[in-house]
Amino acid sequence: NAGVTQTPKFQVLKTGQSMTLQCAQDMNHNSMYWYRQDPGMGLRLIYYSASEGTTDKGEVPNGYNVSRLNKREFSLRLESAAPSQTSVYFCASRRTAGGEKLFFGSGTQLSVL
Amino acid sequence: AQSVTQLGSHVSVSEGALVLLRCNYSSSVPPYLFWYVQYPNQGLQLLLKYTSAATLVKGINGFEAEFKKSETSFHLTKPSAHMSDAAEYFCAVSHTGTASKLTFGTGTRLQVTL
Repeated sequence: NAGVTQTPKFQVLKTGQSMTLQCAQDMNHNSMYWYRQDPGMGLRLIYYSASEGTTDKGEVPNGYNVSRLNKREFSLRLESAAPSQTSVYFCASRRTAGGEKLFFGSGTQLSVL
Repeated sequence: AQSVTQLGSHVSVSEGALVLLRCNYSSSVPPYLFWYVQYPNQGLQLLLKYTSAATLVKGINGFEAEFKKSETSFHLTKPSAHMSDAAEYFCAVSHTGTASKLTFGTGTRLQVTL
């Protein structure tokens, strides 16, 4: 099993450019999440999808949009990238919420110049 | 609202010494608590979790954590550190409900020296 697959692994953007980070899981999980990781700030939740067809804002949603395309896929879009969005982005999934553990992808390192 | 506070962004121990990483939580309802580990250039992996069963939870690689409601703590320990334990460790809190989110602390980087 591949688990959680994120693409791309690395990306460099110029300010104002747009891009979509892709995430897919093959574990038939209901819930999917996007986090960003910045030094000294841990992981902060951007958006999440508790189940197919639903999405909700996390702690830091500004400047991002998401799409839960189907049960497997959950994409994160930056419409107009800003240097403050330079970060490492992680997608994660779990079967349900509550006490279930998260499975993480390997991350996307994004630099916005 | 829920949150976790990890005391100490960096902890350094000698190989063979006790590892103690501190985590305090805040939750308005009974929490689920987790410890995750992140090795360089990788995603996070679950070490252990507390889900209201036994208060002393054993995880992988010899780590364990004790849930103390009176102290709102969930500290991570390992009796004897190994060089391979060098990584960043994150405490996280969640609670029941289909819309439940997992909230992470800011992380503690563990250094193990010879």
